[in-house]
Amino acid sequence: EDQVTQSPEALRLQEGESSSLNCSYTVSGLRGLFWYRQDPGKGPEFLFTLYSAGEEKEKERLKATLTKKESFLHITAPKPEDSATYLCAVRSAVGTGANNLFFGTGTRLTVIP
Amino acid sequence: KAGVTQTPRYLIKTRGQQVTLSCSPISGHRSVSWYQQTPGQGLQFLFEYFSETQRNKGNFPGRFSGRQFSNSRSEMNVSTLELGDSALYLCASSYAGTGGEGYTFGSGTRLTVV
Repeated sequence: EDQVTQSPEALRLQEGESSSLNCSYTVSGLRGLFWYRQDPGKGPEFLFTLYSAGEEKEKERLKATLTKKESFLHITAPKPEDSATYLCAVRSAVGTGANNLFFGTGTRLTVIP
Repeated sequence: KAGVTQTPRYLIKTRGQQVTLSCSPISGHRSVSWYQQTPGQGLQFLFEYFSETQRNKGNFPGRFSGRQFSNSRSEMNVSTLELGDSALYLCASSYAGTGGEGYTFGSGTRLTVV
């Protein structure tokens, strides 16, 4: 059965203090690992898709990396506007809801000015 | 371009009632997927519709159903509401329904069952 575990559940950082969020996954036939950002009262907003181990993608202060068992979302010199819940999801080739997304429960990030 | 529109934004219902939620996808998108989001379980896949046909279904009881119209707008229905159905219901649209990239979410409908 597909599993996605995100850690930590919550993270408080000082502005400028870099850190990483973790997403560990177990999936049959990975067809993509996705990172989303969700602000309170809004739907998730797409950030990155990673397809194979060793792949990296960057966007502003965010960098996502992928290994065979986990993904990291590195946040460099975060700003208060980076405060949000970050969600990791995987797409599997098989099983219930194949080709749709299986989400972790997210990491709630707070960046303090 | 207009995003994914979900209506209503908030809903309060009583146990045993039924409810219908609506989702209007981005123009040109043919796939609509529905997710339930709760604090403990996170986002869980309900079902996906593509060109008016249910293409995938998650592990939810038969009380949860949906449909899609010829203009790609989708509705989901929950019958015989239970307290545990209180959640944020999100829909996401995409052109091909492949999930992930190209998946645009609406802001959701917050359902409270009392």
